[in-house]
Amino acid sequence: DQQVKQNSPSLSVQEGRISILNCDYTNSMFDYFLWYKKYPAEGPTFLISISSIKDKNEDGRFTVFLNKSAKHLSLHIVPSQPGDSAVYFCAAKETSGSRLTFGEGTQLTVNP
Amino acid sequence: DVKVTQSSRYLVKRTGEKVFLECVQDMDHENMFWYRQDPGLGLRLIYFSYDVKMKEKGDIPEGYSVSREKKERFSLILESASTNQTSMYLCASRLRLGGYTFGSGTRLTVV
Repeated sequence: DQQVKQNSPSLSVQEGRISILNCDYTNSMFDYFLWYKKYPAEGPTFLISISSIKDKNEDGRFTVFLNKSAKHLSLHIVPSQPGDSAVYFCAAKETSGSRLTFGEGTQLTVNP
Repeated sequence: DVKVTQSSRYLVKRTGEKVFLECVQDMDHENMFWYRQDPGLGLRLIYFSYDVKMKEKGDIPEGYSVSREKKERFSLILESASTNQTSMYLCASRLRLGGYTFGSGTRLTVV
């Protein structure tokens, strides 16, 4: 039972354009969402998060949007850079809990 | 900066061997986690620990056990390694209510 789903295994965009990565969840108890970035042979690193009391959070080139009614969130990267090429994981948790539930990941490739 | 150190980057073990994966964090975090990462499946939680000597099963605990005798160290044990346990293993730690920090991972191959 995949509670967090990233339906696109891969995404390819041109440098300077927008990258949009999508994530859906099924568990209504999730109220805190995170995006992690992972390079090969390294551990995931935290990118940005959003609480369910918000519908948008922005940090530099990265913006996360949350649509609670649709149980959907997305990560926008503008402008995309070749160094953004990595696997991006969406993760979710309940505020009262400690464990993160991850999606399958999306491989983003930004072409120069 | 919090540092989470996994003792081995790459390991090759034989089927049936008992395997120990070690993880050490240096920031007195209460919570520690073991995940495995497989293509198309993302990160799946194997076990986690709230504090010393406390452990909870995650989503895929079968074939694994854990040990947390000291706060800074969380060990993952494969009692009898099998080829389907070939994977990237990731350890993470977290201060209660804080952010998660991951180690660099251990790529385990079971032959």
